Amino acid sequence: GIQVEQSPPDLILQEGANSTLRCNFSDSVNNLQWFHQNPWGQLINLFYIPSGTKQNGRLSATTVATERYSLLYISSSQTTDSGVYFCAVLNYGQNFVFGPGTRLSVLP
Amino acid sequence: NAGVTQTPKFQVLKTGQSMTLQCAQDMNHEYMSWYRQDPGMGLRLIHYSVGAGITDQGEVPNGYNVSRSTTEDFPLRLLSAAPSQTSVYFCASSPGTSGANRLRKQYFGPGTRLTVT
Repeated sequence: GIQVEQSPPDLILQEGANSTLRCNFSDSVNNLQWFHQNPWGQLINLFYIPSGTKQNGRLSATTVATERYSLLYISSSQTTDSGVYFCAVLNYGQNFVFGPGTRLSVLP
Repeated sequence: NAGVTQTPKFQVLKTGQSMTLQCAQDMNHEYMSWYRQDPGMGLRLIHYSVGAGITDQGEVPNGYNVSRSTTEDFPLRLLSAAPSQTSVYFCASSPGTSGANRLRKQYFGPGTRLTVT
């Protein structure tokens, strides 16, 4: 099956810094999404982005499907950005395959 | 709307016990699914349902049963709990009807933390 890798596994930032999270996948996909899991465990959809670039406030994401990677950018990070960021892909099947996540800690 | 609700929030079982994790949604979503999340790993799909009366296996179905008698409810049953089933369990629902669109907007419940001793 499709493999999904994320890097870095852990990231510690000072409030106000920018960061880039990466997701690599091993096969072509027809759906890619980024999720944020907050420190209380709640999972929230961030982006549906099988290709191209999208922005939502301080967050943006780019997927280059032909090169099998996606990037999540967080600008001017805030402590509320802390948590685990997952990418998940769907390769023309029925269900998502999740990556292992990047754990982000934003320090005040 | 309450969204996706899960009960209980926490549960401790002894090996061999059975229990049912409850999941309900009030958004009239056709697609519902169960995931487990283990430390250092992403979510892995256990079972899913595309509508009442229809269920199918995901990536890690062994040791779990599901049923979908109504649109709203999708319980997950552990028939004989094992320590390997210690995990956090998430239920999710989605309004989509086709493969990619089905998962375009997933709503997750708050999770159930299960420990099997």
